[in-house]
Amino acid sequence: EADIYQTPRYLVIGTGKKITLECSQTMGHDKMYWYQQDPGMELHLIHYSYGVNSTEKGDLSSESTVSRIRTEHFPLTLESARPSHTSQYLCASSVLKAGRDEQYFGPGTRLTVT
Amino acid sequence: GIQVEQSPPDLILQEGANSTLRCNFSDSVNNLQWFHQNPWGQLINLFYIPSGTKQNGRLSATTVATERYSLLYISSSQTTDSGVYFCAVEDPGGYNKLIFGAGTRLAVHP
Repeated sequence: EADIYQTPRYLVIGTGKKITLECSQTMGHDKMYWYQQDPGMELHLIHYSYGVNSTEKGDLSSESTVSRIRTEHFPLTLESARPSHTSQYLCASSVLKAGRDEQYFGPGTRLTVT
Repeated sequence: GIQVEQSPPDLILQEGANSTLRCNFSDSVNNLQWFHQNPWGQLINLFYIPSGTKQNGRLSATTVATERYSLLYISSSQTTDSGVYFCAVEDPGGYNKLIFGAGTRLAVHP
C-alpha cells in the first residue's frame, strides 16, 4: 500500500487568495494524480504526472496548476481562489508493478472559498 | 469517452443484510478498481479487479470483462460499511487515468 499525505485537510480562505495544496507520497511511485470531487458526486481527473518534470491536464478543465520537481511531491496551486473552487481535492499515486497499476489515494483537502 | 454507470444510486440496509452493487462500462478496460469512500472523504481501496473474482473477508467482487460489468458483493453488512462505493475504470486512451462512476450511497442501519 502507498502512504500518501495531503495538507491541509481543511482550508477556508477568502476570494482572491493564492493557495497551494500539498501532496506527498513515500513509496516512490512515478505516477501521481489530482482529482476534484464536489459533495456527493463522482471524482474527476484535473491533473496527472508520469514523473519528474512531467505534468498534463486531465479531463476536467481546472484553473489550478501543478508541478513535479521531485518524485514524491506533487503540489497544486490556485493563483486566485474563487467560490467556484470550493470542492474536495484528492491526490493519488500509482506505479506499474507485475502488470498491476493500482491507484492509492490520500485523505483529501476540503477547500471552501468564501 | 468511456461511460461508467453504477446501480443502484442509493441503498438502505438493515445490519446483517447482503447486497450487490453493479458497475457497467461501455468499452474494454485494462484496469478496474472498487473504492469505499468513508464519511470523512477518504477513499479506501477495496479491489483491483480487471477480470475474474476476488474475495476479502465479507466483500467479494467479480468482473466479467467480455460483458463489460463488475459486481461488488457485501455480505452480513455492518454499520461501518456505510458510505459511498465507487467503481473506476481506466480510460482506454491509457496512461492509467481513472474514470469514475457516480457511486452507490449505502446506509446500513442497526
